[in-house]
Amino acid sequence: QSVLTQPPSVSGAPGQRVTISCTGGSSNIGAGSHVHWYQQLPGTAPKLLIYGNNNRPSGVPDRLSGSKSGTSASLAITGLRAEDEADYYCLSYDSLSDGWVFGGGTKLTVL
Amino acid sequence: EVQVLESGGDLVQPGESLTLSCAASGFSFKNFAMGWVRQAPGKGLEWVSTVHDDGVGTYYADFAKGRFSISRDNSKNTLFLQMSRLRVEDTAVYYCAKAEGFTVDAYYFDHWGQGTLVTVSS
Repeated sequence: QSVLTQPPSVSGAPGQRVTISCTGGSSNIGAGSHVHWYQQLPGTAPKLLIYGNNNRPSGVPDRLSGSKSGTSASLAITGLRAEDEADYYCLSYDSLSDGWVFGGGTKLTVL
Repeated sequence: EVQVLESGGDLVQPGESLTLSCAASGFSFKNFAMGWVRQAPGKGLEWVSTVHDDGVGTYYADFAKGRFSISRDNSKNTLFLQMSRLRVEDTAVYYCAKAEGFTVDAYYFDHWGQGTLVTVSS
């Protein structure tokens, strides 16, 4: 079981808004560690979507946004599209283990 | 264009050793931390190890401590992961990734390779 907890799956219809949560604790997100988000399509390497809690790399559409509060963070996707169907992971540094931890991953299904 | 390319994945028996390499290009390798992340078949991403730009500061996941060693050759723009006493549960695709961030609690991996498969089986 991961130090960062994500829902195993979320779903939404095209055009809708979905959010994916990432719940940590006092040694990682709650300690001020930044949260980053990745998208992974089947058979491919992860792609960075959000870094530093709420920053988008160039090329990532503004339909995607990140937020952080307390010991949790969220990734929001608006205007859902078929191509958003993928696995999503959060990442943060954990001071207790002095290392980085990924959430368990969330499979997004576009209905 | 930033590129990282892993190599060295193979089929090995439990208890054996293996060294992975990662060739980097398109950025000033000596100025960035680098890391390894793995993904077992059908499972999620799992951080393995990170090394600072100078090669001195290193970090390991608990399962890697004492068995894996991360290193880099800044003169050859290459990152390494030496793995020993391999276990069946180490079977995974191993990704090399470039790190960004000013402090460790802000580090993230912005560019990833396509991965190299390590299979540990008798």
